[in-house]
Amino acid sequence: QSALTQPASVSGSPGQSITISCTGTSSDVGSYNLVSWYQQHPGKAPKLMIYEVSKRPSGVSNRFSGSKSGNTASLTISGLQAEDEADYYCCSYAGSSIFVVFGGGTKLTVL
Amino acid sequence: QVQLVQSGAELKRPGASVKVSCKASGYIFTGYYTHWVRQAPGQGLEWMGWINVNSGDTQYAQKFQGRVSMTRETSIRTAYMELSRLTSDDTAVYYCAAREVDGEVPAWFDPWGQGTLVTVSS
Repeated sequence: QSALTQPASVSGSPGQSITISCTGTSSDVGSYNLVSWYQQHPGKAPKLMIYEVSKRPSGVSNRFSGSKSGNTASLTISGLQAEDEADYYCCSYAGSSIFVVFGGGTKLTVL
Repeated sequence: QVQLVQSGAELKRPGASVKVSCKASGYIFTGYYTHWVRQAPGQGLEWMGWINVNSGDTQYAQKFQGRVSMTRETSIRTAYMELSRLTSDDTAVYYCAAREVDGEVPAWFDPWGQGTLVTVSS
């Protein structure tokens, strides 16, 4: 059982927007603005898409955005494209002892 | 171009140890942390620990304490992760990932290596 809770799957049609939630606790997501999101295509390494809740690394499309409210972080993908179909993982700092925890991952299907 | 290249797949017997390497290029190696994250077949990501490549300081996830060792050889820009007393539950793809040392908590990872499959089987 993962420390952060994500929906197992989400889906959307090309051009639509989807949001993936990531629910933690007041000991991780709720306490730190250190939530990151990773995209993983089958057989590939994860790729950083969002860091520090809402910042985008250079080269990541502005269709990807992140936010946080209380103990829940969210990743929103707008203007869905076929290449967005992948697994998405959230990650949060959880204090100096545990360091980081991951969500269980969400499979995004573009219909 | 920042790049991490890992060593090849390994097949190990239960009880053995495995050492995975991660060679960096395209950035100042000693200015980064190297993290290790693993992914069991069909499962999610699991953080194992980090090493500050400059100082050699490490932090390991409690689950792996006493069984994992992270080291580095700065002269050849390579970090290592060794896991001992392997069981079938350790069968996974092991990733290294970098994070710049910038005075902040190194709680996100970019870039990642290509991954190394470690299979533990008798």
